[in-house]
Amino acid sequence: GENVEQHPSTLSVQEGDSAVIKCTYSDSASNYFPWYKQELGKGPQLIIDIRSNVGEKKDQRIAVTLNKTAKHFSLHITETQPEDSAVYFCAASESGAGSYQLTFGKGTKLSVIP
Amino acid sequence: ETGVTQTPRHLVMGMTNKKSLKCEQHLGHNAMYWYKQSAKKPLELMFVYNFKEQTENNSVPSRFSPECPNSSHLFLHLHTLQPEDSALYLCASSHLGDGYTFGSGTRLTVV
Repeated sequence: GENVEQHPSTLSVQEGDSAVIKCTYSDSASNYFPWYKQELGKGPQLIIDIRSNVGEKKDQRIAVTLNKTAKHFSLHITETQPEDSAVYFCAASESGAGSYQLTFGKGTKLSVIP
Repeated sequence: ETGVTQTPRHLVMGMTNKKSLKCEQHLGHNAMYWYKQSAKKPLELMFVYNFKEQTENNSVPSRFSPECPNSSHLFLHLHTLQPEDSALYLCASSHLGDGYTFGSGTRLTVV
């Protein structure tokens, strides 16, 4: 089955700096890679996703990159703000192949220091 | 509000109690999931339902019993739980296995 490794487990940055979270996956058949943000007392919320037919996707201050050859993908947050503080999860799945299971990383606790 | 509603938000139960968690979605999604989230552990998939049919049961103990009466509702029936079952139980739904929409979860404490 799929295995997703996520690093670092905790990350502290100064407000305005960039934050990068990295994930690796094991199953070369995986083709869908979402990222979730979980704030205290809430469930995870999808913030951005990428499919294997593209290498990069941006949405305002958030970007995700994918290297299929190396089987890793990363989340980049620029100009961080205190409200970006949360736990971030990466995930991977073989979407469209009848599999309905996302495999999640262990999460990264991001703290943005004002 | 994400479109996936879980009740109750908090639940304290004794080890001999029977209780149920409820999840409801009106997003038109065809798949629904139960996940367990414990401190310092990855999200653990418990059950998957696709068009009301259970397609995954990840070796979950029988003291957890899911029920999916229709594609919009999902229940998790609990009985004779252990203290180590205390966790945040998350429901999610999706369309065709793509990005999940999670509920806010039920914080369960077993005493």
